[in-house]
Amino acid sequence: GIQVEQSPPDLILQEGANSTLRCNFSDSVNNLQWFHQNPWGQLINLFYIPSGTKQNGRLSATTVATERYSLLYISSSQTTDSGVYVCALDRELSFGAGTTVTVRA
Amino acid sequence: ETGVTQSPTHLIKTRGQQVTLRCSSQSGHNTVSWYQQALGQGPQFIFQYYREEENGRGNFPPRFSGLQFPNYSSELNVNALELDDSALYLCASSLGSQSGELFFGEGSRLTVL
Repeated sequence: GIQVEQSPPDLILQEGANSTLRCNFSDSVNNLQWFHQNPWGQLINLFYIPSGTKQNGRLSATTVATERYSLLYISSSQTTDSGVYVCALDRELSFGAGTTVTVRA
Repeated sequence: ETGVTQSPTHLIKTRGQQVTLRCSSQSGHNTVSWYQQALGQGPQFIFQYYREEENGRGNFPPRFSGLQFPNYSSELNVNALELDDSALYLCASSLGSQSGELFFGEGSRLTVL
């Protein structure tokens, strides 16, 4: 299956800071999604982005499919942004291990 | 437009029993995929149903089976439960089997004693 690596594994931010999360993958993909997983395990959709760039408020994402990576940007971080951010690929949804983001007030 | 709903949210079974988990897909979606997420791990693909037919399966034994109904809702059945089956079971729906955004339910947390 496709190998997915996310970095960094953990990220601690001061409120108001910007950050970049990275997802590298080992093969070409048809689907790529970014999720925010809440403490109860539910996966909240952030972006469906097999290629290109999208923005939603303070979050944006870019996927460069030819170079096999995707980036998730968080700008002006807030404490409510804390949680686990997961990158997942294709129908079988090969999941990365996630980046745990902690935003401190 | 209703989202993906799963039931029950929590349940406890004993080893050897059977369990049925249910999933109602998002309105307009014809594909349902099931995933198992053990504690501290990422979700693992169990299988997918597209228009009432199994359309891909992960590395799970035959005692994991499923159904999809004409209204595209779905069931996951697990026979002869083992302790390692304790996990969060997630259902996701999408429009189309190969591409398209997946939307997840809140999951069913199964504990096997």
